[in-house]
Amino acid sequence: DTAVSQTPKYLVTQMGNDKSIKCEQNLGHDTMYWYKQDSKKFLKIMFSYNNKELIINETVPNRFSPKSPDKAHLNLHINSLELGDSAVYFCASSQEISNEQFFGPGTRLTVL
Amino acid sequence: KNEVEQSPQNLTAQEGEFITINCSYSVGISALHWLQQHPGGGIVSLFMLSSGKKKHGRLIATINIQEKHSSLHITASHPRDSAVYICAVQKGYGNKLVFGAGTILRVKS
Repeated sequence: DTAVSQTPKYLVTQMGNDKSIKCEQNLGHDTMYWYKQDSKKFLKIMFSYNNKELIINETVPNRFSPKSPDKAHLNLHINSLELGDSAVYFCASSQEISNEQFFGPGTRLTVL
Repeated sequence: KNEVEQSPQNLTAQEGEFITINCSYSVGISALHWLQQHPGGGIVSLFMLSSGKKKHGRLIATINIQEKHSSLHITASHPRDSAVYICAVQKGYGNKLVFGAGTILRVKS
């Protein structure tokens, strides 16, 4: 059983388009995260949600909008995609904010 | 300068060698994480620690809070240990993770 899943795994799109990445966890965790890994493999937090409430919003452009319909899902919607948005996006979850995190397989976004 | 510094950036070892990866940080933290990123891209949490030492199989992680330093040791290294090892510190509101740049480990048979 997949603990943290993301769809799609690969996403290739044109500049200016709007796209969404979905994340689901079946671990019963109450906290979920989005991370961005750039071309140099450097990871950075984007958002975290605890019980569907936004906890961390790390100076991400407002073209990025996370949505948490319930504790098991945290989706990432990106408007007006730019070349610099090309990266691998990882979703993760944990039980409470300060515990071990479980990562999804990543979504490789390529903006042309 | 990054709040989390790892060394070395790259490490090549022979199978069976004892490996040490270091992590230094410059901020107050609530915990430190060691993560492993496989060549295929997946990320796995290895350890989360706030004091002392933890061991899991051939992996050992230590932390010295006063010196703001942590080490990850791999005993009897194996080619399947080849991966990127990432140190991350948990800090601030929401206990966000701040990551090091990673150490690329290659173990040759």
